[in-house]
Amino acid sequence: DIQMTQSPSSLSASVGDRVTISCRASQSIRRYLNWYQQKPGKAPTPLIYTASNLQSGVPSRFSGSGSGTDFTLTIDSLQPEDVATYYCQQGYSTPRSFGQGTKLEIK
Amino acid sequence: QVQLQESGPGLVKPSETLSLTCTVSDGSSNSGSFYWSWLRQPAGQTLQYIGRISLSGSTDYNPSLRSRVTISLDTSKNQFSVKLTSVTAADTAVYFCARDNDSTENFDYWGRGILVTVSS
Repeated sequence: DIQMTQSPSSLSASVGDRVTISCRASQSIRRYLNWYQQKPGKAPTPLIYTASNLQSGVPSRFSGSGSGTDFTLTIDSLQPEDVATYYCQQGYSTPRSFGQGTKLEIK
Repeated sequence: QVQLQESGPGLVKPSETLSLTCTVSDGSSNSGSFYWSWLRQPAGQTLQYIGRISLSGSTDYNPSLRSRVTISLDTSKNQFSVKLTSVTAADTAVYFCARDNDSTENFDYWGRGILVTVSS
């Protein structure tokens, strides 16, 4: 099984800041890396698929990059509504697997 | 707009079988481009993949649960289901159904989730 490791586990930033979250796979997953946002009590919502493709309806301040084993989610100009937990997930093979999550808060 | 909705008991006794159904609103359960998936999330933890089923009925299960889980599909009702046998407190979680899109290789639509508690 492919293990996904996210860092940091929590993050506090100010409105307007640029925020980056990292995700590392235990083996190469090419570009089959997805990002989700989850707010308390809600289901995850997709943000980015196959490393850098923005899901329909997602604001353009969200972007993704990377390939192989190392990936990054970037939020340009953090907004109050971005407070959430962010998860990476590999779509390269089954069983699908997720990172442990990064909890993002506003300073 | 695709909508998924989980249904089933919110309380299951230890050693019994957990059974949940997901209803898909737009009939895309008849499309071969998707896999119909179950995931779960214990309180305060990350998401765990339980398994999935294709239109052809081909299934894939998480090896950690394979001996206890069965996923089935009823296209006539636009529903798919999961059964998990011999449950323990460790199976207490929010259970989600989701669509695994073969084109984008991600879970692009999710149900709202249903909390299932295992307790006597």
